[in-house]
Amino acid sequence: DAGVIQSPRHEVTEMGQEVTLRCKPISGHNSLFWYRQTMMRGLELLIYFNNNVPIDDSGMPEDRFSAKMPNASFSTLKIQPSEPRDSAVYFCAILQGAGAEAFFGQGTRLTVV
Amino acid sequence: QQQVKQSPQSLIVQKGGISIINCAYENTAFDYFPWYQQFPGKGPALLIAIRPDVSEKKEGRFTISFNKSAKQFSLHIMDSQPGDSATYFCAAYSGAGSYQLTFGKGTKLSVIP
Repeated sequence: DAGVIQSPRHEVTEMGQEVTLRCKPISGHNSLFWYRQTMMRGLELLIYFNNNVPIDDSGMPEDRFSAKMPNASFSTLKIQPSEPRDSAVYFCAILQGAGAEAFFGQGTRLTVV
Repeated sequence: QQQVKQSPQSLIVQKGGISIINCAYENTAFDYFPWYQQFPGKGPALLIAIRPDVSEKKEGRFTISFNKSAKQFSLHIMDSQPGDSATYFCAAYSGAGSYQLTFGKGTKLSVIP
């Protein structure tokens, strides 16, 4: 987990508010992924970046979701406006090396009330 | 997104028994098949992985069996222990351009004493 730091760990917000989730990966990674995890749908890929460029955002559920990766050491996932159905654990993960091992952060547990 | 289908959704095994989790994939471009283990409150962590040029890989009590023609792979946990209780995800990765890591929906394993 030390290879990917996510913040905040927990976020409780009211419906309609903007939420920004942050991810700080260690250097040397090839790709960065944002996943959403719920009991019903499991781990869903939202978007992934390769060399800081968004490659596939087809998993982003709606226009309310946006993600950026301004440099190799930082990425954000923003939800605006947030809705109760966005409540989930959001994970950031990186791929490293030819073996394509993914390292996950601890996740951000988002609750929208 | 390409799909990876995982079963069962949940599994209860007695201590010392064998836990078996199965996965099937569709896209023949996948060339790396990892299994991840997730404990409550943590992100998934790589457990064991296999490439399609071998039919089996064993690491301690954990074995992956891979059937390329059937496009199926499975995780076997021998001598299951209560400490193995976790959620297990199979995944498939394609390094040929897409760099996408696609997960199954997960299997919640409970090993009872």
